[in-house]
Amino acid sequence: NAGVMQNPRHLVRRRGQEARLRCSPMKGHSHVYWYRQLPEEGLKFMVYLQKENIIDESGMPKERFSAEFPKEGPSILRIQQVVRGDSAAYFCASSPPLGVYGYTFGSGTRLTVV
Amino acid sequence: SQQGEEDPQALSIQEGENATMNCSYKTSINNLQWYRQNSGRGLVHLILIRSNEREKHSGRLRVTLDTSKKSSSLLITASRAADTASYFCATTRNTGFQKLVFGTGTRLLVSP
Repeated sequence: NAGVMQNPRHLVRRRGQEARLRCSPMKGHSHVYWYRQLPEEGLKFMVYLQKENIIDESGMPKERFSAEFPKEGPSILRIQQVVRGDSAAYFCASSPPLGVYGYTFGSGTRLTVV
Repeated sequence: SQQGEEDPQALSIQEGENATMNCSYKTSINNLQWYRQNSGRGLVHLILIRSNEREKHSGRLRVTLDTSKKSSSLLITASRAADTASYFCATTRNTGFQKLVFGTGTRLLVSP
């Protein structure tokens, strides 16, 4: 079991470009969560998804950010027209259907906007 | 304001000493978890304590929970240089799905 896989590990984008971050949950996990960590801060919840459904996106910025978890393939966090303030580490976590106790984090994608 | 706030923000100790970190939160919780994050890496789950538990042990880790004071502590005994990391508490609420709300973390430095 490879755990939660995120790619790329590092991503550099120029202002105005799009960033796509991918997350493959652990085998058997059907719930995916995205968190953002700014330098020297804790993680902030962004969005919670199940297959083909967004359950809670209360932490997502209103514009430019979107997330999906299709029936097949990884979950994608998409940031359009990136700005310098989007530079952060983005972590994905997954859990099994029955609850949070199986929460497992990926190693994160570090986005740098130049 | 922050749901979970760790105290102190930074802690520097010698190997072999004990390290104690505290976490306060504001709302009712379902459970509280502690995570470790090594520099530039992902989070590693350390221990979970449910709202109806008061103390829990795992190896060199001891966690306490006081729901009346809305606070928790993490004690690492006989610390090692490899314990150097940031430590975060995270809570889940009673309602809804199990979204984690993280504190700002304690940066622990253990010197040989």
